[in-house]
Amino acid sequence: KQEVTQIPAALSVPEGENLVLNCSFTDSAIYNLQWFRQDPGKGLTSLLLIQSSQREQTSGRLNASLDKSSGRSTLYIAASQPGDSATYLCAVILNQAGTALIFGKGTTLSVSS
Amino acid sequence: GAVVSQHPSRVICKSGTSVKIECRSLDFQATTMFWYRQFPKQSLMLMATSNEGSKATYEQGVEKDKFLINHASLTLSTLTVTSAHPEDSSFYICSASKVGLTNEQFFGPGTRLTVL
Repeated sequence: KQEVTQIPAALSVPEGENLVLNCSFTDSAIYNLQWFRQDPGKGLTSLLLIQSSQREQTSGRLNASLDKSSGRSTLYIAASQPGDSATYLCAVILNQAGTALIFGKGTTLSVSS
Repeated sequence: GAVVSQHPSRVICKSGTSVKIECRSLDFQATTMFWYRQFPKQSLMLMATSNEGSKATYEQGVEKDKFLINHASLTLSTLTVTSAHPEDSSFYICSASKVGLTNEQFFGPGTRLTVL
């Protein structure tokens, strides 16, 4: 059974720091992996989707990497800002149709000014 | 774009009543819609998958008679929580995938259900 773990569960950093959020999964037979942002009481905003043939994706200050063989993904946030404060969710996508997602519990990030 | 809306955003109801939550894809047609439930500090858990015009497929442990899903059109799916109880209090999130573009789900803003 696929399980997705995110470490740490919570993280507090001062503004301007670079940081790394970790996601691990138990079964390397995934199709894609996706990182989301969730603000309190809100839905999910997609940040980056890494296809199985890719090793990383970048968008602005965000960089996500994927190592399927080791069952790991990282989300790197450069020069963090208070507006980055949110919960970051990692989800593995198990099939090509994208109908089977397994989520981690998330890392709650707080960036202080 | 790929915007998904949910209504209502919050609902409070008495135990034993039924609550309907709507999920709409605003600017695209959705082949498939999904319903998730999220308890505090927990993962999103898929409850069911629905395709327009057909019966929903429920995940193991989800009572289909309690959580009624109707997917009447390519832009609308509804989740009805029947005879709600306090343990049904949760955050319900829907998502939709586009016709002709697979492998990405677009998520709604969620509905907070509180059952007193």
